[in-house]
Formats: sequence, structure tokens, C-alpha cells
Amino acid sequence: KNEVEQSPQNLTAQEEEFITINCSYSVGISALHWLQQHPGGGIVSLFMLSSGKKKHGRLIATINIQEKHSSLHITASHPRDSAVYICAVRSFTTNTGNQFYFGTGTSLTVIP
Amino acid sequence: GAVVSQHPSRVICKSGTSVKIECRSLDFQATTMFWYRQFPKQSLMLMATSNEGSKATYEQGVEKDKFLINHASLTLSTLTVTSAHPEDSSFYICSASDQGTGGESYNSPLHFGNGTRLTVT
Repeated sequence: KNEVEQSPQNLTAQEEEFITINCSYSVGISALHWLQQHPGGGIVSLFMLSSGKKKHGRLIATINIQEKHSSLHITASHPRDSAVYICAVRSFTTNTGNQFYFGTGTSLTVIP
Repeated sequence: GAVVSQHPSRVICKSGTSVKIECRSLDFQATTMFWYRQFPKQSLMLMATSNEGSKATYEQGVEKDKFLINHASLTLSTLTVTSAHPEDSSFYICSASDQGTGGESYNSPLHFGNGTRLTVT
């Protein structure tokens, strides 16, 4: 079982659609990251969350610590949003110390 | 914003040779850098955490003698793939934190390099 589960794995949307990508995790976390990876491979860190909600432009990230769930929303989607979105969590336990877990990513394609 | 430069972006080498990948923080000091590996169509896999001036911490299953990490300064970490074999062909990416040290850096924003695509023939 993966410590971080993302859904959906693949998503195709029409331009201007509202998009939601979900991330559930099973470990206690100190922070959750949303990453964006473009086809060339470069990765951009979109958000780092430990509680509540953050907004940057058309992107919104929320996290519910009690439910161990985070969502990434894209409003008024655009073809340039096409990328793989990865959820990553940092966790600390006395047994394992600091650990980093990654979701398998959501491949988003926005069609004009 | 914080920039991480990774070099080279692509490298092709023959089996048995060693390849060095550099990761530099250009406008900030990175006491901690992370090295990842990514296979096609798969997500990132953390290989090791590199701390300036000390030995790297490797994830379970990653051979430390195979993947040598050096973090000699606050702006440079290197990953050397020794005696490379075709199964080492992969996409290698680094990231750096620009705040805190040790445990604090784990809760800091991450800045990624553009990755290095290694092909071993």
C-alpha cells in the first residue's frame, strides 16, 4: 500500500474547466507539497501546506489534517496547465526519522 | 526566486564509466539538498538527503557506494554514479531547501533543478 494516493491518475479537461486533483495519505505529516512537472522533466514546487488553504493565481490547495486529505484546484484551466501534478508528504517518526513520500502523479491534459 | 541549477541536462555514457551530476543553488545557501530518481511514467523516488559538511543519508535500497554524494559547500552538491550500467539509466533530479538546517529544512519550500537524463549504453 502506498503512503500517498493520488486521484485521478489521468485527467483530460476542456479549457476553462474547474479541475480538482486529490491526495490522500496514511502517515502523520509535517508538511505536504504539491509539485508540477512539465514534459521536459523540470519540477516546480507549487505549494507547501501544513494546514488550511493556500491560493496562488488560479491555483488553490487545501489540506484537512484530520482526514489526511489534500486537494489541488485549478480554476479556469488553460492548455499551459497541462503537466503532471505530484503530491508529496514529509513525515517524521521516532522510528524512521524524516521520510519523504510521493504520490504517483496525476497527468493533466487541458484541451483548447 | 530561489534558483537551482543542475548540470548536465543530458548525458550518455558507456557501461562501466562514472558520471558526475552537479546541483547548485544560485542565489541562496542550501544546507540540505535532496537527490531523486525517476523512471519513465513513474513518480519521484527520494534517493538520499545531502547535508553540507556531513555524510549523506541514503534511503533504503539505495547503494551508497554506487551513488556517491558530496556536499562540500553551501551551494553545491554532486551525485556520482559509479561504474554505471544500463539499469542506471534514469532521470535524476535534485532539490534544495533555503531555510533552516537539519530538521527545520524538512519543512522548507523546495526548489528543484531541471534534472539530468542519464543514458548508459
